[in-house]
Amino acid sequence: DTGVSQDPRHKITKRGQNVTFRCDPISEHNRLYWYRQTLGQGPEFLTYFQNEAQLEKSRLLSDRFSAERPKGSFSTLEIQRTEQGDSAMYLCASSSHNTSGRARTGELFFGEGSRLTVL
Amino acid sequence: GQNIDQPTEMTATEGAIVQINCTYQTSGFNGLFWYQQHAGEAPTFLSYNVLDGLEEKGRFSSFLSRSKGYSYLLLKELQMKDSASYLCAVRPLSGGYNKLIFGAGTRLAVHP
Repeated sequence: DTGVSQDPRHKITKRGQNVTFRCDPISEHNRLYWYRQTLGQGPEFLTYFQNEAQLEKSRLLSDRFSAERPKGSFSTLEIQRTEQGDSAMYLCASSSHNTSGRARTGELFFGEGSRLTVL
Repeated sequence: GQNIDQPTEMTATEGAIVQINCTYQTSGFNGLFWYQQHAGEAPTFLSYNVLDGLEEKGRFSSFLSRSKGYSYLLLKELQMKDSASYLCAVRPLSGGYNKLIFGAGTRLAVHP
């Protein structure tokens, strides 16, 4: 079990630059989520995919943010024209719709996150 | 809308018992989760309640009262490694999927 992996773990960029984060979910999970977390706060929901379909986007996700999951496996989150307020930890999580065993809780499995610092 | 409240910080002594409370208001309810998050690490699943009552798992227990919009996480026989943030999260009854809404978390410091 390789878990959810994210890349890069850390990214420092200058204001106005574009950045892209990648998430590889647990292989049998069809649901994938992006969250953002700032210091001292809980994760805030950004967007959700079921397979390759993006089914919900939070109002937090401005037009500068775009997420894709082209083949229903890995996902990318791109931030264009970064601003200092975008500095945060970007967490990816996956879950299964399987209703048997422990998976029936629908718990989210989180990756280690990608920490973005915008200077 | 959704609103989840939990204390910002708590301290406790090694070997003791601590209870972390969480109150919530959501538009529909489909389960409450507790996650543990050590500094700089990913949140990890601790417990899940969807019906009223107590769920026990080793040193950790979680309680839910849906009518009161209230849950608590009980940690027994505290160890230094339990120093972490504890996140209360609610799954709203919408969309048929597993989106979770998180509280700000409670930072627990366990001292000798």
